[in-house]
Amino acid sequence: EVQLVESGGGLVKPGGSLRLSCAASGFTFSSYSMNWVRQAPGKGLEWVSSISSSSSYIYYADSVKGRFTISRDNAKNSLYLQMNSLRAEDTAVYYCAMSMMTNAFDIWGQGTMVTVSS
Amino acid sequence: QSVLTQPPSVSAAPGQKVTISCSGSSSNIGNNYVSWYQQLPGTAPKLLIYDNNKRPSGIPDRFSGSKSGTSATLGITGLQTGDEADYYCGTWDSSLSALDVVFGGGTKLTVL
Repeated sequence: EVQLVESGGGLVKPGGSLRLSCAASGFTFSSYSMNWVRQAPGKGLEWVSSISSSSSYIYYADSVKGRFTISRDNAKNSLYLQMNSLRAEDTAVYYCAMSMMTNAFDIWGQGTMVTVSS
Repeated sequence: QSVLTQPPSVSAAPGQKVTISCSGSSSNIGNNYVSWYQQLPGTAPKLLIYDNNKRPSGIPDRFSGSKSGTSATLGITGLQTGDEADYYCGTWDSSLSALDVVFGGGTKLTVL
């Protein structure tokens, strides 16, 4: 079964750091680009970052550029999001998502909550 | 403020049909495929429509998508109480750095 499981969320103070992980299983992780999408409480979806299968191409939303770093370890079937200089507006559920059988996000994890508050 | 514009809410009675619009521009909807997602309360989004009008395996044909110019529409027929959810459109935008993914602000569907 194809599965994405996020972890690493929690409560962090403004200016702090957090590293999210997404463990993939049930498919050849190294063959697919991966993405992070977030959703602030009561708000809509916001794409955060994408990384190609071999990490050659990396993209960020302007709202996180320079503060967040996406990476992956194909040997460990894992995707990461290093979040630095966190702000209150980064408070959200962070989803790991991918395009497997279509060119849209057809596989999503269950999400991990990040709360930035003093 | 989302790049794609959706109505905040729509409602209809069980068994009826409803449409949800998604408006964009030439840099996004006008030149890229549109997808639609359903998010039931407390759950992750689920892909309903991709490439403007294609349904992934397992999505009933009550759900349909279309695109014209810089706008797209999601249609749902034979409404069921289980269809109550938030619906989001998504596509790519080539006016920003590289090819960014953009979403609409979401539409809450109420089945009366």
